[in-house]
Amino acid sequence: GAVVSQHPSWVICKSGTSVKIECRSLDFQATTMFWYRQFPKQSLMLMATSNEGSKATYEQGVEKDKFLINHASLTLSTLTVTSAHPEDSSFYICSASDISGLYEQYFGPGTRLTVT
Amino acid sequence: QKEVEQNSGPLSVPEGAIASLNCTYSDRGSQSFFWYRQYSGKSPELIMFIYSNGDKEDGRFTAQLNKASQYVSLLIRDSQPSDSATYLCAVNPGSGTYKYIFGTGTRLKVLA
Repeated sequence: GAVVSQHPSWVICKSGTSVKIECRSLDFQATTMFWYRQFPKQSLMLMATSNEGSKATYEQGVEKDKFLINHASLTLSTLTVTSAHPEDSSFYICSASDISGLYEQYFGPGTRLTVT
Repeated sequence: QKEVEQNSGPLSVPEGAIASLNCTYSDRGSQSFFWYRQYSGKSPELIMFIYSNGDKEDGRFTAQLNKASQYVSLLIRDSQPSDSATYLCAVNPGSGTYKYIFGTGTRLKVLA
């Protein structure tokens, strides 16, 4: 149980284009989903917290107009990187908290984004 | 500033030994504590969580929590080379939030 999927697992896009990443909880309903970014050999960095049906809460320093988050249902959240630049190249990971759980976060497998 | 601290390592242990990973946290009101394993290039995987003082065992893993001293540890018995990874300590501060505060992780190397 507690499986989270992400799609795509890797993507290459050109500078200036937008990329959408999907995060789905497959066997549970997620009260809250989180989006993280991780650069090589660095720690996870929380980008934003999203709750179903409401606006995402972004961490300080994260541009909300660049990283658009939509949490349309209890099992799906999407992250759109708009006008991507090479410095946005990173490993993007989502996690989800089970609505019936006790604060555990289950992570998706991650999406490796390369902007050329 | 709420903080979670871990020794970055690497912690090297021989195969079959016990690996002991430690984590301290600054917010005394923290409610729940999590250990994740992250292999290089992969996303974190939940190993254990603990909410109450004392020990919690699951297979080869034991989580230990001491709220008075504000530390949480993870013991891995009979360490295997496949346990070589970075271990992340995460703390939920409570107050209804689902957010974590992560430590920077300890890199464990199990030597065959």
